[in-house]
Amino acid sequence: DAGITQSPRHKVTETGTPVTLRCHQTENHRYMYWYRQDPGHGLRLIHYSYGVKDTDKGEVSDGYSVSRSKTEDFLLTLESATSSQTSVYFCAISESINIPGKPQHFGDGTRLSIL
Amino acid sequence: AQKITQTQPGMFVQEKEAVTLDCTYDTSDQSYGLFWYKQPSSGEMIFLIYQGSYDEQNATEGRYSLNFQKARKSANLVISASQLGDSAMYFCAIRNTGTASKLTFGTGTRLQVTL
Repeated sequence: DAGITQSPRHKVTETGTPVTLRCHQTENHRYMYWYRQDPGHGLRLIHYSYGVKDTDKGEVSDGYSVSRSKTEDFLLTLESATSSQTSVYFCAISESINIPGKPQHFGDGTRLSIL
Repeated sequence: AQKITQTQPGMFVQEKEAVTLDCTYDTSDQSYGLFWYKQPSSGEMIFLIYQGSYDEQNATEGRYSLNFQKARKSANLVISASQLGDSAMYFCAIRNTGTASKLTFGTGTRLQVTL
């Protein structure tokens, strides 16, 4: 299994509080991604990173920021959490975009509830 | 922009029977890849099978095969000899080459295998 650890695995917090989710990988993969999973929507890309300090927005980036100061860590921050950000968050990693069949591998997810 | 459509929210299949999960896609690119992931009730995302847009043969991985019809833009997953452990959500996803390996997912199909 790909070495991807997400923390925390579960979190309950209140509207308006800041929240940071961490994704840690031991695979030394260049590409890292944050998705959110909601019923009826599948997984949607929030932000991704293509190297240390190199990040870009995905489909649903409003209200989220990311940082990647080391290859192994990719942080997702909700500056001021809202109830609409209650979701399951998945981190994924990818070795290369130049090897067509190489899949993204996913962490086990973080269940975030914002009350 | 690319899009994945999975029109079957839920499917039932009897144990030992084969089942086909539908996936159609929309993309303007000539080079792309199609992925299927399985998400059991425990929540993790498990990569199952990959099909490249230029692959001439349908992909197979054990009991999983992909019925790829490029002209119809469909990439249906076929599971042969269903097992109780196949009960899960199944997601189809597309990746366009050169876009940092980002995936666009469908909304998923929940498969229930019965005795």
